[in-house]
Amino acid sequence: SAVISQKPSRDICQRGTSLTIQCQVDSQVTMMFWYRQQPGQSLTLIATANQGSEATYESGFVIDKFPISRPNLTFSTLTVSNMSPEDSSIYLCSVGGQLASTDTQYFGPGTRLTVL
Amino acid sequence: QKEVEQDPGPLSVPEGAIVSLNCTYSNSAFQYFMWYRQYSRKGPELLMYTYSSGNKEDGRFTAQVDKSSKYISLFIRDSQPSDSATYLCAMGTGGGNKLTFGTGTQLKVEL
Repeated sequence: SAVISQKPSRDICQRGTSLTIQCQVDSQVTMMFWYRQQPGQSLTLIATANQGSEATYESGFVIDKFPISRPNLTFSTLTVSNMSPEDSSIYLCSVGGQLASTDTQYFGPGTRLTVL
Repeated sequence: QKEVEQDPGPLSVPEGAIVSLNCTYSNSAFQYFMWYRQYSRKGPELLMYTYSSGNKEDGRFTAQVDKSSKYISLFIRDSQPSDSATYLCAMGTGGGNKLTFGTGTQLKVEL
């Protein structure tokens, strides 16, 4: 399985500011995913980021609020823009398994975001 | 109705007990079934992966899938305090598509 790191691991931010979260993988992967995990809730997919194409956003998530970059096969960023306290959550990146047909995904350690 | 239902717990068991964790689902297109373990303040860790119906065993863990009933289970034998975590079921239709997750069951194994 891939080794995935995220930066920052946690942050406390002020309302109205933006935060960019980085996701680094130790091997080349085609598919990367960004999730949000709020307390007591299941993981919610924000978007799928494939290298060489624009990210695909899930219902309820828009590019202006969550712009994503995928410059190469080992790196991606998620920006949380114009933050409000409702954006306080854990943000996770994941990568698809080597066998794309299996749908397995491997997760990074997460970024714990608190917005004041 | 949610696409995947999972009892959030918390579930508290004594050390050495057999633990049964379950999920039900409504989408008959799901072909791939996974269990993730998530320790506090960590990312989910892939624990078990199963394709279609049947059983899969890995050490103290057994995953079962019953597609006719749309029901999956994870059994943990000889549970240990280190098994205390949140267990998430996840399902996919194949082709590298997105996963659908349950809400997770919080498990505590007590000494």
